Amino acid sequence: EAGVVQSPRYKIIEKKQPVAFWCNPISGHNTLYWYLQNLGQGPELLIRYENEEAVDDSQLPKDRFSAERLKGVDSTLKIQPAELGDSAVYLCASSDRAGGRESPLHFGNGTRLTVT
Amino acid sequence: SQQGEEDPQALSIQEGENATMNCSYKTSINNLQWYRQNSGRGLVHLILIRSNEREKHSGRLRVTLDTSKKSSSLLITASRAADTASYFCGRDDMRFGAGTRLTVKP
Repeated sequence: EAGVVQSPRYKIIEKKQPVAFWCNPISGHNTLYWYLQNLGQGPELLIRYENEEAVDDSQLPKDRFSAERLKGVDSTLKIQPAELGDSAVYLCASSDRAGGRESPLHFGNGTRLTVT
Repeated sequence: SQQGEEDPQALSIQEGENATMNCSYKTSINNLQWYRQNSGRGLVHLILIRSNEREKHSGRLRVTLDTSKKSSSLLITASRAADTASYFCGRDDMRFGAGTRLTVKP
């Protein structure tokens, strides 16, 4: 099966500019996650979707970050405006919740954002 | 905030040696999963252990769980250079700790 696809792979922008990341989960996976990972740290959950509904966005900085998952398939994460501290890797993951909380997460290779 | 903490933060061993890394968590869990991450890549699922299990094996991997201490350990036996990666534990709410960076020297 095709894995989780993320694009772009790398992005360099100037501070105060907007940026968007795209994720296409594994076909049939109804749960989608966005994580932020700083260098040398673990992934930090930003938002979790069940189909098109955001069910856990408590860690999403809503003043500048937004996400959408129209039609419950692919998803976009946006930052506007970007700040220097947003430089990180943004990871997307999906899982088949038919297995409940035991379903493993499948990760994409991430988008590395550099804000200058 | 991180919901699980791995230790050590970094571990360097020789090929053929065993590697043990630990994970502690703060609240009760239904299960705990271990993942590995190679540099520049996403995380890959390794093994899941349920709260009613004490030990689980998969190939060269052995995972233990002590719910009374809220801790788990991952043992990699007969390590190989290809095992060099970061290892993370994740709770069933899919939050991760800071990870252990394992280096296996040939």
